[in-house]
Amino acid sequence: DAKTTQPNSMESNEEEPVHLPCNHSTISGTDYIHWYRQLPSQGPEYVIHGLTSNVNNRMASLAIAEDRKSSTLILHRATLRDAAVYYCILRDQGAQKLVFGQGTRLTINP
Amino acid sequence: NAGVTQTPKFQVLKTGQSMTLQCAQDMNHEYMSWYRQDPGMGLRLIHYSVGAGITDQGEVPNGYNVSRSTTEDFPLRLLSAAPSQTSVYFCASSWSGDSPLHFGNGTRLTVT
Repeated sequence: DAKTTQPNSMESNEEEPVHLPCNHSTISGTDYIHWYRQLPSQGPEYVIHGLTSNVNNRMASLAIAEDRKSSTLILHRATLRDAAVYYCILRDQGAQKLVFGQGTRLTINP
Repeated sequence: NAGVTQTPKFQVLKTGQSMTLQCAQDMNHEYMSWYRQDPGMGLRLIHYSVGAGITDQGEVPNGYNVSRSTTEDFPLRLLSAAPSQTSVYFCASSWSGDSPLHFGNGTRLTVT
């Protein structure tokens, strides 16, 4: 399985944008880039996913590099409820399996 | 709108005991899976199912059994509990292999 690399932790301030990076240099052409987050004492929650083009939804935006070897999850205006561990995952098209790394622990300061 | 429901929330077992972790979803999802999460780690796939009557092994299947007799339910059985199986267990479901996974809130299992 292709792997991803994320910083162990990041810190930001409330109401500011947050850019969470992810490197995936061994990504294959059929791998989708998925982001999930896990709030304390909860199961992971889907955030966003994409293949080649940038994607937006109500939670976040996903910016994918042209060579697809990296991507950035963007939280446009962080709130305290966004404090969580964020996982960047590569998922082969049609594959049920998700391979989780250790993720980035995001701290939001009031 | 229950989503994915896991029971129990907490369980303590003695080494050698067996038990079943329950998982039910009300979204008519075909895909269901079980993950375990050890402290400070990401999730690892135990078993998964792509539909009723079909199951397959994930990364860490040893010591666990599953069956999928209905679309809604996907129980995970621990045959003979060991301290190494102390973990938080998450069940997930999805509409298809390409769609996002919906996770339950987990079962925290301690084996002494």
